[in-house]
Amino acid sequence: DAMVIQNPRYQVTQFGKPVTLSCSQTLNHNVMYWYQQKSSQAPKLLFHYYDKDFNNEADTPDNFQSRRPNTSFCFLDIRSPGLGDAAMYLCATSRYGTATGELFFGEGSRLTVL
Amino acid sequence: AQSVTQPDIHITVSEGASLELRCNYSYGATPYLFWYVQSPGQGLQLLLKYFSGDTLVQGIKGFEAEFKRSQSSFNLRKPSVHWSDAAEYFCAVGEGDTDKLIFGTGTRLQVFP
Repeated sequence: DAMVIQNPRYQVTQFGKPVTLSCSQTLNHNVMYWYQQKSSQAPKLLFHYYDKDFNNEADTPDNFQSRRPNTSFCFLDIRSPGLGDAAMYLCATSRYGTATGELFFGEGSRLTVL
Repeated sequence: AQSVTQPDIHITVSEGASLELRCNYSYGATPYLFWYVQSPGQGLQLLLKYFSGDTLVQGIKGFEAEFKRSQSSFNLRKPSVHWSDAAEYFCAVGEGDTDKLIFGTGTRLQVFP
């Protein structure tokens, strides 16, 4: 059974039209991550939550926001998508972070910007 | 700054041949090292991890990796590759003090019958 579920798997939006991607987990993990992966590139960390503590990467554009209303859910909001934001967005969870365990990844949400 | 280097962008092997994927890291403290595999259009799956102890670690699907501190390497190996192993392989280092996972650029493995 899937433990990290991302919706939608495929999202098509228009240039500048806001989009929200969701991630839910059944693992009760403390840490949730959002990665952006462009074609043939490594996943790039956008931000992560340790419980309710939000940690933003310094180079994450302001256009990207995140919400974690409870332990199970985390959302990625892209306020005004540009063509350069087309990518696979990966959600991952970890019980206590990388120091003590692995990350569990969802299958990703592929975003297309027209 | 910590980083991960995977020198081989693309590797092609014949089914049944042995495989070694290279990974070098740069990290000041004792690294937490991981290998993940990603099939096309899918998320990442953990193959194996090294935290401490025995420097040769066994993973799923018949993979193993060896941590060599003197060479700052964590190479992934498999004695006999199967066609289903064709995928993208990512080496990663975990930052224990920040809970972050830093990925290498990946190695795409192609397997010929």
